[in-house]
Amino acid sequence: DTEVTQTPKHLVMGMTNKKSLKCEQHMGHRAMYWYKQKAKKPPELMFVYSYEKLSINESVPSRFSPECPNSSLLNLHLHALQPEDSALYLCASSSGGGGYTEAFFGQGTRLTVV
Amino acid sequence: KQEVTQIPAALSVPEGENLVLNCSFTDSAIYNLQWFRQDPGKGLTSLLLIQSSQREQTSGRLNASLDKSSGRSTLYIAASQPGDSATYLCAVRYADFSSNTGKLIFGQGTTLQVKP
Repeated sequence: DTEVTQTPKHLVMGMTNKKSLKCEQHMGHRAMYWYKQKAKKPPELMFVYSYEKLSINESVPSRFSPECPNSSLLNLHLHALQPEDSALYLCASSSGGGGYTEAFFGQGTRLTVV
Repeated sequence: KQEVTQIPAALSVPEGENLVLNCSFTDSAIYNLQWFRQDPGKGLTSLLLIQSSQREQTSGRLNASLDKSSGRSTLYIAASQPGDSATYLCAVRYADFSSNTGKLIFGQGTTLQVKP
């Protein structure tokens, strides 16, 4: 099973709302990632967790707050977003222990900020 | 700067043609290179993974090559079909001192249309 599950599939939120995106994998992977993808652009790396610790933060604004409660779960907490944050948010995972691993992506959450 | 470039940006071919998609990267300190497929509004499906020590990988009608010294990879699709129509993304996992996972950096993608 090479499945990464993201919920919800679609989310509409106001600029004053607080919401969370969820990502789950049961492949025993120890690295998990958040990417942001705008229309007709490639995915851009936001955060990397390795063994449940944040290892890379690509200078993402603090209105995006990642959390890795356990090795199977990754959340992205959203607060006070702007309309330009509307995008497809993709979660990925790969087995831990170094870079020689294959990344698997979820189907994404389509976020619209109004 | 660690970058990934893909050409062409778009490609339209008749069904049955063989085709080649190109990917280039700027830094030879890579762990691996991965080719993905993305259908409109969907997530990414992994097609092929080539480790930095390998020269090529094959899966069905797909063949990917890697030349680390020149910073290039190609994805060859044989006997193209309308169902192959999608965006193909090349992603390079660069080594990064801050994380043992490295950074997976994407090219801009090639949007392929295969006409019946």
